[in-house]
Amino acid sequence: GNSVTQMEGPVTLSEEAFLTINCTYTATGYPSLFWYVQYPGEGLQLLLKATKADDKGSNKGFEATYRKETTSFHLEKGSVQVSDSAVYFCALGADGQNFVFGPGTRLSVLP
Amino acid sequence: DGGITQSPKYLFRKEGQNVTLSCEQNLNHDAMYWYRQDPGQGLRLIYYSQIVNDFQKGDIAEGYSVSREKKESFPLTVTSAQKNPTAFYLCASSADRGRSPLHFGNGTRLTVT
Repeated sequence: GNSVTQMEGPVTLSEEAFLTINCTYTATGYPSLFWYVQYPGEGLQLLLKATKADDKGSNKGFEATYRKETTSFHLEKGSVQVSDSAVYFCALGADGQNFVFGPGTRLSVLP
Repeated sequence: DGGITQSPKYLFRKEGQNVTLSCEQNLNHDAMYWYRQDPGQGLRLIYYSQIVNDFQKGDIAEGYSVSREKKESFPLTVTSAQKNPTAFYLCASSADRGRSPLHFGNGTRLTVT
């Protein structure tokens, strides 16, 4: 079956540091890939998505590129802020199937 | 603005009581889902529905029940048979089951003592 693996963290960075959260997937066919963010006490919010190989999703300074050759969708941000502190989930969606989520990565950004 | 509304945000119940969590969406989405999230844990699928009057068990359906009588509504009942009901419950919807992004509500935190 389909699966998603991501670094579990926690990840602690200083403000303005570079962020990478690794995500790799296993799937048959060509899934869509997503990053979601969850702030404390809230639901998940869609951060960005990519629907085919080599697509780059981007939003709020975050980026991720759908790499079919390495089955990866790593999340990056050039300069993190304290307000980026949250839990980040990588997810996979495929036709007629339920979403598959990674375990989440907790990010703490220190001032 | 379209979205998903879960109510209440906090819910407290005594052991042995059934409790129903509300989920309403005005996104005109066909598919709806219930997830459970425990502290420091990921998401686990309880039930999902692809269309009105139809729903399927997810990975951890035991002790839960749902109904889908209207497209907009997908209430979840946590029954007394659920051994460990204290958790954060998230409702989500999507245009269809598969590639369409999930839209989440803000969750209901249920505490059973």
